[in-house]
Formats: sequence, structure tokens, C-alpha cells
Amino acid sequence: AQSVAQPEDQVNVAEGNPLTVKCTYSVSGNPYLFWYVQYPNRGLQFLLKYITGDNLVKGSYGFEAEFNKSQTSFHLKKPSALVSDSALYFCAVRDMGSNYQLIWGAGTKLIIKP
Amino acid sequence: DTEVTQTPKHLVMGMTNKKSLKCEQHMGHRAMYWYKQKAKKPPELMFVYSYEKLSINESVPSRFSPECPNSSLLNLHLHALQPEDSALYLCASSQGQTDYNEQFFGPGTRLTVL
Repeated sequence: AQSVAQPEDQVNVAEGNPLTVKCTYSVSGNPYLFWYVQYPNRGLQFLLKYITGDNLVKGSYGFEAEFNKSQTSFHLKKPSALVSDSALYFCAVRDMGSNYQLIWGAGTKLIIKP
Repeated sequence: DTEVTQTPKHLVMGMTNKKSLKCEQHMGHRAMYWYKQKAKKPPELMFVYSYEKLSINESVPSRFSPECPNSSLLNLHLHALQPEDSALYLCASSQGQTDYNEQFFGPGTRLTVL
């Protein structure tokens, strides 16, 4: 069965420091991976995706993610965190085996402290 | 226009009421989705429409009834809901159901069932 794991419920980072939010996946076949962010009382916003090609994917708001096939990971990164980056982050993989829908990780709450 | 709109933003209803949630997109997307999201949890897929036809129903109780009047509109009709149905209801759209494109989410309707 296909699955996504976000091993950290919460990540705390000081403003200006680099941040990493971890995601690992388990799929049969090629993975199609996505990161979304959700600010309080808001819908989800798309950040970036990996379909094929370059393992380093750049997205919105200065975020990037590194696809690592051997470690089955797709970690979200940003070189310098902002307080406004504080939000709930979800990793998802597209289920290309049956109904093509997104399989979501549990989410990671990112807190950036001034 | 890269926006998905949802109305109302908030809805409080009794268990005997009938109400509807509305969703609209003008991006020419052919797939539209309803999700239910509990606090700090990933969204749960409810329904998928592809080319205005119901494609996926994730075993949702019949008190939730989706409708897709045209390619831009998606409704969710609610009747005889239970308190445990209180949640954030998110609408999303994407270019197609089975392609690699990301889903665009609306801001959601916060539903409270008394």
C-alpha cells in the first residue's frame, strides 16, 4: 500500500535559521510528490511538486525540496526561516495505482520563533 | 484567475436543517473535489467529479449529497447532519483527475452542527 510519513509532529526553528520538514514515502512505481502549506483557518496552498527530472525542486515563498530516491524521501527546506512561515505543512503522494488521488502525510506544525 | 472560491465561510446548522455549500473555479479545470478536514489533520477525500460526472465517492454517508451543475460549480448539499460532521469542508480543483497537476484549494467552509 502506498503511504506517506511525516515523522515530526512539530518543528521549531529560530528566525533566520535554515529549516527542514521531513517526508518519506512508500509507493509502487514512480512517485509523484507534493508539498502543501496551511495557515491558520485557511485552505491548503500548493508549494511545490516533484514529477520527474532534477532532484532539487524549487517552489513558492523560497521553499525547495530534495527528492532522494534511494532514501525514499522528499524533505522540504528553506535556507532562512521567517516568522510568517509558521504554519501546518503537508506532504502528499499521488496514488497512480488505483484512483489517482492524493495520499497525505499527517502534517508537521512548523513554528518559527523571532 | 487562479482562485477557488467557497461560500459560506462559516455555517452553523441544526441536525434537522438542510443547507448547501458552494464552490466555484474559473481556471478551466475539469476535476473538482470535496474534502473534509478535522483540526490539525490532513484532509479526507469525500467526492471527486471529473468532467462534471461523479468519479469517486469515498463511502460518504448519504446525508452528504454532491452536485456539479456545470464545469465551474460544485455544490455539497447537507441534510440531517450529526455533530461529528462539524469540520472544515474544502473544495479543490485540478486540470484533470488522472494527470500530475496540483490541486488548487479554496479557503473552506467552517461547519458547526449543533
